[in-house]
Amino acid sequence: DGGITQSPKYLFRKEGQNVTLSCEQNLNHDAMYWYRQDPGQGLRLIYYSQIVNDFQKGDIAEGYSVSREKKESFPLTVTSAQKNPTAFYLCASSSGEIRTFGSGTRLTVV
Amino acid sequence: QKEVEQNSGPLSVPEGAIASLNCTYSDRGSQSFFWYRQYSGKSPELIMSIYSNGDKEDGRFTAQLNKASQYVSLLIRDSQPSDSATYLCAPSEVSWGKLQFGAGTQVVVTP
Repeated sequence: DGGITQSPKYLFRKEGQNVTLSCEQNLNHDAMYWYRQDPGQGLRLIYYSQIVNDFQKGDIAEGYSVSREKKESFPLTVTSAQKNPTAFYLCASSSGEIRTFGSGTRLTVV
Repeated sequence: QKEVEQNSGPLSVPEGAIASLNCTYSDRGSQSFFWYRQYSGKSPELIMSIYSNGDKEDGRFTAQLNKASQYVSLLIRDSQPSDSATYLCAPSEVSWGKLQFGAGTQVVVTP
């Protein structure tokens, strides 16, 4: 079945560590997105990519980095510069209006 | 700053009644409008899209759009307990573009 796979489902990070969240899709979608969701809030766009080897900052890119070396993959790195990284992270891909979300990664700073 | 405003709720609705959800947006360039349903701890799923002024019906869901008033709504008829979720409004300048999500309205359907 086609879809988006995010891993891990739960991730714990120590202060000062970088962590990378994985996002893989087999839907052949060109566009991919990373969102952050905090309790009681909507989704905020971190980064998006419309094509391989190209990506743009979203509304809250500070403290995050991405790469898009393959069409299928769009990993997100949460760097130590992100001061409040505890949140639910969602990856999505789209073709036209059809936007498919992964199941999310819940990141907690310990 | 483009904004999308929704009542946070919770909106308590008796089973079988109509749930009415409202959304206002500030970006006059928005052309496409989407409603997503999100169960607690899960990812959003698309339930409705609307592009033109007026009503669009899909099963028990009806989306209503008024671009002049920058207002979009979602009606859920014959509400079921399985409709208990948070509903996110998401306008976009283009159909594939960067969606701006509202904070969502939590709906609780009571038996």
